[in-house]
Amino acid sequence: QKEVEQNSGPLSVPEGAIASLNCTYSDRGSQSFFWYRQYSGKSPELIMFIYSNGDKEDGRFTAQLNKASQYVSLLIRDSQPSDSATYLCAVIISGGYQKVTFGTGTKLQVIP
Amino acid sequence: GAGVSQSPSNKVTEKGKDVELRCDPISGHTALYWYRQSLGQGLEFLIYFQGNSAPDKSGLPSDRFSAERTGGSVSTLTIQRTQQEDSAVYLCASSLGPSGYQETQYFGPGTRLLVL
Repeated sequence: QKEVEQNSGPLSVPEGAIASLNCTYSDRGSQSFFWYRQYSGKSPELIMFIYSNGDKEDGRFTAQLNKASQYVSLLIRDSQPSDSATYLCAVIISGGYQKVTFGTGTKLQVIP
Repeated sequence: GAGVSQSPSNKVTEKGKDVELRCDPISGHTALYWYRQSLGQGLEFLIYFQGNSAPDKSGLPSDRFSAERTGGSVSTLTIQRTQQEDSAVYLCASSLGPSGYQETQYFGPGTRLLVL
């Protein structure tokens, strides 16, 4: 089992719809969870981070964390063509030193 | 500086040659990471520095790869006797420190390495 798993996609949604991206992780000691967006040919950039169970909203983005079920998701409301990118989930186990594990990413395509 | 910088932005080399890739982290960031990303693939962790120490070198693919960090700032990733399979984008990231929001990583633009 991979430490961090994401569906590679592509996930296609029409413009204006809600895009739902999911990530599961294997280590229950994981404490910090991040979503990065990576446009083709560019470097990853941070979208959101979440540490506590529940939802965290920032504009059109909502991160959801469920530690009991070991998943974290990212919802994008009112999807725009400019949201088309690969979304990477990253999980960090704090304490000692930072072990960072990235998922392989989900490619999102927003269709105009 | 405003962000993480990397040099060179592109590097073409011949098989068997050595290459050095440089990363300048954001000022004040104590943690520094190197990743490799092959075309269409995810991020492959290579090495992590906290200050000048490397607590985790587990991702280095072979003994041809080495990295160092001096003065708690600039880091150099060296690949000796390059092979064609080393062709990839090498990304550097830095973060402020080891707790909470400080763990957010900020990525540089990457070095695109092509080994002929």
